Amino acid sequence: GESVGLHLPTLSVQEGDNSIINCAYSNSASDYFIWYKQESGKGPQFIIDIRSNMDKRQGQRVTVLLNKTVKHLSLQIAATQPGDSAVYFCAEKGGATNKLIFGTGTLLAVQP
Amino acid sequence: SQTIHQWPATLVQPVGSPLSLECTVEGTSNPNLYWYRQAAGRGLQLLFYSVGIGQISSEVPQNLSASRPQDRQFILSSKKLLLSDSGFYLCAWGGNTIYFGEGSWLTVV
Repeated sequence: GESVGLHLPTLSVQEGDNSIINCAYSNSASDYFIWYKQESGKGPQFIIDIRSNMDKRQGQRVTVLLNKTVKHLSLQIAATQPGDSAVYFCAEKGGATNKLIFGTGTLLAVQP
Repeated sequence: SQTIHQWPATLVQPVGSPLSLECTVEGTSNPNLYWYRQAAGRGLQLLFYSVGIGQISSEVPQNLSASRPQDRQFILSSKKLLLSDSGFYLCAWGGNTIYFGEGSWLTVV
């Protein structure tokens, strides 16, 4: 079936470095992708989205890249800060069900 | 702007007791509403979604039910809780992009 998965369950980075969180998706019909940030004990928070007609989208300190050829999505965080420590989920939408499907999440740990 | 409220924030319930989690959305009309569950350290599982009053779709067979008595109100219920119902329950609203509430921690003991 369709699935969205993350390559790395845990990512540890030094404060000030750039972070890259990766996500693979299997449904080539997906046409909309979202990254969420979930801090401990809280609900997921929307970070940034991208449609399949784009390869790159930038926000404040974050960039999402979409490579449809290899069905890969990444979230880049510039100058990572301690407040960026959280679990990051990718999600895809599209295809027959048109429902939002979440990956299992990557824990980003920022070291001071 | 739209806001979503969910309560209670935490709940400890004995096995076999009933459950009621409530969610309301403000600032929008006829939203799509969702209930998700998240087990500790795991991803998000869609339980129910609703596109309108009285319209509920269930994603997985389980011990839970959902109701939408008003346009912006979504309720998650159970008649008899199981230990396996423990988890973090999230109400959400939206279309392409889904926005989540702060969640309700349920511990069944």
